[in-house]
Amino acid sequence: SAVISQKPSRDICQRGTSLTIQCQVDSQVTMMFWYRQQPGQSLTLIATANQGSEATYESGFVIDKFPISRPNLTFSTLTVSNMSPEDSSIYLCSVQVTTDTQYFGPGTRLTVL
Amino acid sequence: SQKIEQNSEALNIQEGKTATLTCNYTNYSPAYLQWYRQDPGRGPVFLLLIRENEKEKRKERLKVTFDTTLKQSLFHITASQPADSATYLCALDAANDYKLSFGAGTTVTVRA
Repeated sequence: SAVISQKPSRDICQRGTSLTIQCQVDSQVTMMFWYRQQPGQSLTLIATANQGSEATYESGFVIDKFPISRPNLTFSTLTVSNMSPEDSSIYLCSVQVTTDTQYFGPGTRLTVL
Repeated sequence: SQKIEQNSEALNIQEGKTATLTCNYTNYSPAYLQWYRQDPGRGPVFLLLIRENEKEKRKERLKVTFDTTLKQSLFHITASQPADSATYLCALDAANDYKLSFGAGTTVTVRA
């Protein structure tokens, strides 16, 4: 199994500002992902956080808006840049520990005013 | 286009009954399908994975079936309890690369 923590757990931000979300795992993992869950919606994959190289973004998500760092196998950050109210969501990181199981963090609830 | 559809947004059942949730998908050929539980304010928790060559899988009071011909998975909670109240999500890995696509979820409420 894997224990994942995220910081902050929630934040309220002003439009036009940026927020960096941290994801820490208690063991080394190769595959780490960032998802977004908009209010009342299901999860949508933003990107794969690659250790030692640039993140791989899914359609509709770009590096300028969601820069991601992955300095090592236990840690990643996601920044939500130049925020607007439409960015209000829960942001979750996840890790693939075995071939069968993906573990999710508790999420960061972001509200943009 | 690819779609994952889960049955009705909410399911209300009496304690002790069986809850049956449906996940239908189109334009996917997944090697496996997963079910997760999500409680309010929390991240999803992995419950079960079923592979394309498996018809049925069980874990305690949970049972999952997978019909690749119908492109459908059924998720059953038997002898349901109020503690089973949560939102249940099905997820597919379309390209076998661990990138998951999720259904919208079904919220189950078990009445005592």
